[in-house]
Amino acid sequence: QVTLKESGPALVQPTQTLTLTCTFSGFSLSTPQMRVSWIRQPPGKALEWVARIDWDGDKFYNTSLKTRLTISGDTSKNQVVLTMTNVDPLDTATYYCARISLATGSFFFDYWGPGILVTVSS
Amino acid sequence: DIPLTQSPSSLSASVGDGVTITCRASQDIDRSLSWYQQKPGQAPKLLIYAASSLHSGVPSRFSGSGSGTEFTLRISNLQPEDFATYYCQQSYLNPMYTFGQGTKLDIK
Repeated sequence: QVTLKESGPALVQPTQTLTLTCTFSGFSLSTPQMRVSWIRQPPGKALEWVARIDWDGDKFYNTSLKTRLTISGDTSKNQVVLTMTNVDPLDTATYYCARISLATGSFFFDYWGPGILVTVSS
Repeated sequence: DIPLTQSPSSLSASVGDGVTITCRASQDIDRSLSWYQQKPGQAPKLLIYAASSLHSGVPSRFSGSGSGTEFTLRISNLQPEDFATYYCQQSYLNPMYTFGQGTKLDIK
């Protein structure tokens, strides 16, 4: 059974660094073709893809956020960590981690964590 | 980026009705499109991938079609649990995934 769960602070002050952890089970990031992403959703708004890490260590970022993001994986702990520097109130959102699968040439998010609401405010 | 435009933004329907939601891409994305259902306070759930493949455990009243720039999600015989917001997502420009703005389906 595949499960994911996000953890981290609920409140962060502007200009600070946000660190979020995704702890998962039911698969290993060291298995070929495994990939994990972060996706966020501001309150009442649409989903936005943020970052991805692959089984081989490849990392990818949303170009609009790239300069502020770092994604890393710890295969021994089954965790993926996202750090975002210099946060702004516009970064207020529910942050989800999700596993990515590939089939018939299409990548999709087949398992999601419940999400964590992060508010950026002083 | 490949913007996705969903229509309508919202619609109302009754239990037992059938509805269709459309997702249009700004360029040809082949069949690299997925659909998700999201209920308030919950994470999205995968319904359809590769335009028309039904994800495991998803009821057969959900179906997807399309290719290129125009895609549709069809829900037949609406059930009370189907009232939610639906999103499309493209993966043609991998890994710069984008989502549509969402379509809210509520009870008439």
